[in-house]
Amino acid sequence: ETGVTQSPTHLIKTRGQQVTLRCSSQSGHNTVSWYQQALGQGPQFIFQYYREEENGRGNFPPRFSGLQFPNYSSELNVNALELDDSALYLCASSPRTSGNNEQFFGPGTRLTVL
Amino acid sequence: EDQVTQSPEALRLQEGESSSLNCSYTVSGLRGLFWYRQDPGKGPEFLFTLYSAGEEKEKERLKATLTKKESFLHITAPKPEDSATYLCAVQRGSQGNLIFGKGTKLSVKP
Repeated sequence: ETGVTQSPTHLIKTRGQQVTLRCSSQSGHNTVSWYQQALGQGPQFIFQYYREEENGRGNFPPRFSGLQFPNYSSELNVNALELDDSALYLCASSPRTSGNNEQFFGPGTRLTVL
Repeated sequence: EDQVTQSPEALRLQEGESSSLNCSYTVSGLRGLFWYRQDPGKGPEFLFTLYSAGEEKEKERLKATLTKKESFLHITAPKPEDSATYLCAVQRGSQGNLIFGKGTKLSVKP
């Protein structure tokens, strides 16, 4: 069974640029959630996708957007990057079955904005 | 407002010295409480899910318990490889997202 994978591992961008991060969900999982984790903080929920539709969003501006594909993989896009966007971006997948709410995380993408 | 508070922020133990980590929460309609382990620069690793007060789960040297207001992660006779940040998160009944605490950074010295 393949776990959650994310790419790239690290990324360096400058202010104002745009970035796309990618996530492949664990086999059998149809729900993907994205989180932002600043240094020394817990992960903060960005949004969740279920069957290619956004299914909940945290307190993040519209320049954070996402997609989910028919194979349940997902992308996180961030436009007009700001210095505060520097963080570890985590993708988590879950099976979305009744009574099974565990979310399994990928290794993350470390984004540095200069 | 939903909130998760973990204490202490950091904990240093000697190998074999048992202790507990605390997670206090306020949330309407708790769907589940989750414990994760996170190594530096890595994604969180799932440990436990607890669904109702009184529930307990164990895995090797770790035991998680849940009351109506808090959860404890008990570590028995820890080893240096248990050093990590332990994250607690709650999930509300109507939503799928996790609300995390800031974590407890555990260091176990040989």
